[in-house]
Amino acid sequence: AAGVIQSPRHLIKEKRETATLKCYPIPRHDTVYWYQQGPGQDPQFLISFYEKMQSDKGSIPDRFSAQQFSDYHSELNMSSLELGDSALYFCASSSTGVHQETQYFGPGTRLLVL
Amino acid sequence: AQKITQTQPGMFVQEKEAVTLDCTYDTSDPSYGLFWYKQPSSGEMIFLIYQGSYDQQNATEGRYSLNFQKARKSANLVISASQLGDSAMYFCAMREGNSGYALNFGKGTSLLVTP
Repeated sequence: AAGVIQSPRHLIKEKRETATLKCYPIPRHDTVYWYQQGPGQDPQFLISFYEKMQSDKGSIPDRFSAQQFSDYHSELNMSSLELGDSALYFCASSSTGVHQETQYFGPGTRLLVL
Repeated sequence: AQKITQTQPGMFVQEKEAVTLDCTYDTSDPSYGLFWYKQPSSGEMIFLIYQGSYDQQNATEGRYSLNFQKARKSANLVISASQLGDSAMYFCAMREGNSGYALNFGKGTSLLVTP
């Protein structure tokens, strides 16, 4: 079965640079979520989109923005990167109306800010 | 306030034994979902099992079962017949409300299965 695809899998950036993370949800899933997991931490919710509209917002810094496109893929844009942004970034997708509405996670993008 | 509490930072279990990972939650929403995910050292987040707040029976998925005690607000994961490949971090998570809401995760329990 198709899974959530994230690219790139690894990314190294310098402080103050920008980064763009991409996410391709499972086909026919209408909701996309972004999470940030720092080293040794649990995942923290950043933002979500339902049918290309922002549906919920968590602890996403103002330096970050995200959107979902007409083909349902999503991008997380990160600017003015800081050392503390080094983390594993997950995208997850789910299908509204399916009883469990389980969020299936992609493999993650490991971002290292130097 | 922490919505999901996992009180066991680390646990050991011998191969072929059963193990219970504890999870308690806090919500005033009558509709919620409880999830368990497994995160191996490679980093991916793997869905294991789901329990809905209105489900009458405990969820089971192969060797995984969820001991759901609603009145006590606990949702413990039971892994039967542990295997070496079960060594990983295990996260309990909760979604409040009916749909489209973010997951709140616990701090996780690191499980090591020994031969």
